Amino acid sequence: DIQMTQSPSSLSASVGDRVTITCRASQTINSYLNWYQQKPGKAPKLLINVASTLQSGVPSRFSGSRSGTDFTLTISSLQPEDFATYYCQQTCITPRTFGQGTKVEIK
Amino acid sequence: QVQLVQSGAEVKKPGSSVKVSCKASGGSFSNYSISWVRQAPGQGLEWMGGIIPIFGTTDYAQNFQGRVTITTDESTTTVSMDLNSLRSEDTAVYFCARGEKNGYYKGLDVWGQGTTVTVSS
Repeated sequence: DIQMTQSPSSLSASVGDRVTITCRASQTINSYLNWYQQKPGKAPKLLINVASTLQSGVPSRFSGSRSGTDFTLTISSLQPEDFATYYCQQTCITPRTFGQGTKVEIK
Repeated sequence: QVQLVQSGAEVKKPGSSVKVSCKASGGSFSNYSISWVRQAPGQGLEWMGGIIPIFGTTDYAQNFQGRVTITTDESTTTVSMDLNSLRSEDTAVYFCARGEKNGYYKGLDVWGQGTTVTVSS
């Protein structure tokens, strides 16, 4: 199975901060990497697919990028509604594994 | 816009089976993949498997091979997930979610509300 390693597992940040979350794949997955946001008690929400394509309705402060097997989710200016847990998922090969999640908390 | 509505919470005994259903309404269904993802209490997301209803083709994670079966009923636009030989570690919220047309590459953009399955003696 492809292992997806997210870092950090948690972070504390303030409103307005720039936040970066990284996901590393254990082998090549091309650009088949998606990012989700999940709030407590809710289903995940797709933010970005195929490494960098922003989903309709998702604010432009969210962006994604790829460098080889390393992928990055960036929130350019953290807003109060962005405090949540973020997951990456590779969809290149079965099983379509998720990273372990990054919890973004209020500093 | 398609919505996915899942069946209600279940409480099961160890060793038994559970069937969770996911009904699509309001949009196209049969040529989009449907995946099942679970989340144990306080834990992360785990992809279990999926189906492309128009083809009936399934794709399962090795961890669940032999224990999980995903089926579709196009007449009722419903996808179901059966999990057998339940153990306490299967206690989780189970989500269905829609992928792209004829594949799984572009992520899961529509999610059901989740179904809590509790396995307890």
